[in-house]
Amino acid sequence: KAGVTQTPRYLIKTRGQQVTLSCSPISGHRSVSWYQQTPGQGLQFLFEYFSETQRNKGNFPGRFSGRQFSNSRSEMNVSTLELGDSALYLCASSPSPLGLETQYFGPGTRLLVL
Amino acid sequence: TQLLEQSPQFLSIQEGENLTVYCNSSSVFSSLQWYRQEPGEGPVLLVTVVTGGEVKKLKRLTFQFGDARKDSSLHITAAQPGDTGLYLCAGVTTGFQKLVFGTGTRLLVSP
Repeated sequence: KAGVTQTPRYLIKTRGQQVTLSCSPISGHRSVSWYQQTPGQGLQFLFEYFSETQRNKGNFPGRFSGRQFSNSRSEMNVSTLELGDSALYLCASSPSPLGLETQYFGPGTRLLVL
Repeated sequence: TQLLEQSPQFLSIQEGENLTVYCNSSSVFSSLQWYRQEPGEGPVLLVTVVTGGEVKKLKRLTFQFGDARKDSSLHITAAQPGDTGLYLCAGVTTGFQKLVFGTGTRLLVSP
């Protein structure tokens, strides 16, 4: 079975731009969670989608949004980018909602905002 | 806000030494997970502990969940260079709403 894939792997943007990141979960997995990882704040939960519905959201501003499609693929969008948004963005998939079964992480998308 | 503090933040040891990493919180979690992350990759789940007081062993790694389900520890016996990586604990909040990650412990095991 193929693992979780994330595209693109690397991205450079400038302040004020917007960005869309993509995550393809493991086949059959219906839950996709997104995380931001930075040296200063560590790994922080952004939001989780299960069967196209957002189940919960972390403490991030409204500039961070996401969605999930009927095939369970998910996208995350960040609008009006700030320097502090530079980070590794990870997604993880699981067969069931978060916490009930093991979630598997993708390799991440490294975003640099200049 | 639920926080998980890990200690130590950094650990540099020689092959064959033992070590313990601690994960502490003032909050109660439904379960606690331990991950290892290597450069350029996402975290990989090592273990999930669910019951207060639970101890799980995976070869040279021993994981313990505190009786009150607020803290956990990871003990590695006879560390090897392949154990090098970033170790993260993560608590599943009550109601299975989200995962709160610890601050991380970066381990370097030298031959």
